Amino acid sequence: AQSVTQLGSHVSVSEGALVLLRCNYSSSVPPYLFWYVQYPNQGLQLLLKYTTGATLVKGINGFEAEFKKSETSFHLTKPSAHMSDAAEYFCAVSDPSNTGKLIFGQGTTLQVKP
Amino acid sequence: KAGVTQTPRYLIKTRGQQVTLSCSPISGHRSVSWYQQTPGQGLQFLFEYFSETQRNKGNFPGRFSGRQFSNSRSEMNVSTLELGDSALYLCASSLTTGQPLKTQYFGPGTRLLVL
Repeated sequence: AQSVTQLGSHVSVSEGALVLLRCNYSSSVPPYLFWYVQYPNQGLQLLLKYTTGATLVKGINGFEAEFKKSETSFHLTKPSAHMSDAAEYFCAVSDPSNTGKLIFGQGTTLQVKP
Repeated sequence: KAGVTQTPRYLIKTRGQQVTLSCSPISGHRSVSWYQQTPGQGLQFLFEYFSETQRNKGNFPGRFSGRQFSNSRSEMNVSTLELGDSALYLCASSLTTGQPLKTQYFGPGTRLLVL
């Protein structure tokens, strides 16, 4: 069965600093992985998704994630944090046996300090 | 193109009542999935509808039900509300079903408070 673990429920960085949000997955088959962002009082917005092929995936708003099979990880990074990046971030894996279903991690709240 | 819309945005009900939430997918999208988001359990999949048929289901009691209309709009119903049903209910639409790679586009959610 697929599962996702996000390490760190809260991450705080200074504006301009590197953002690193950690995600590890468990999957018995090649996974399809996603990162979503949720701003206060809003729904989820897709940042990027990993299918197959290139292991470094570029997304919107300057975010990227690297798929590392050997580490079963899909960490999200951004070189320089902006105040507008403050939000909750969710890593998710698609369940191939139940294709309507995304399995989400518990989420990481990113705080950006001026 | 307009995004996913959900109505109402906020709802207050009392225990034992029932509630119906509505979701209009992006134009041309035929699949609608529903998720429940709570601080304790996080985001959990409820069910997916495609072409007016339930295609997938999560692990929720039968009090949670849904349907989809011919225009792809979907409703979910929760009967005999319990305090634990207080949550943000998110609807997501996608072009089709049966593809784990598909991108799901989320609406803003309906926040339900059960007193």
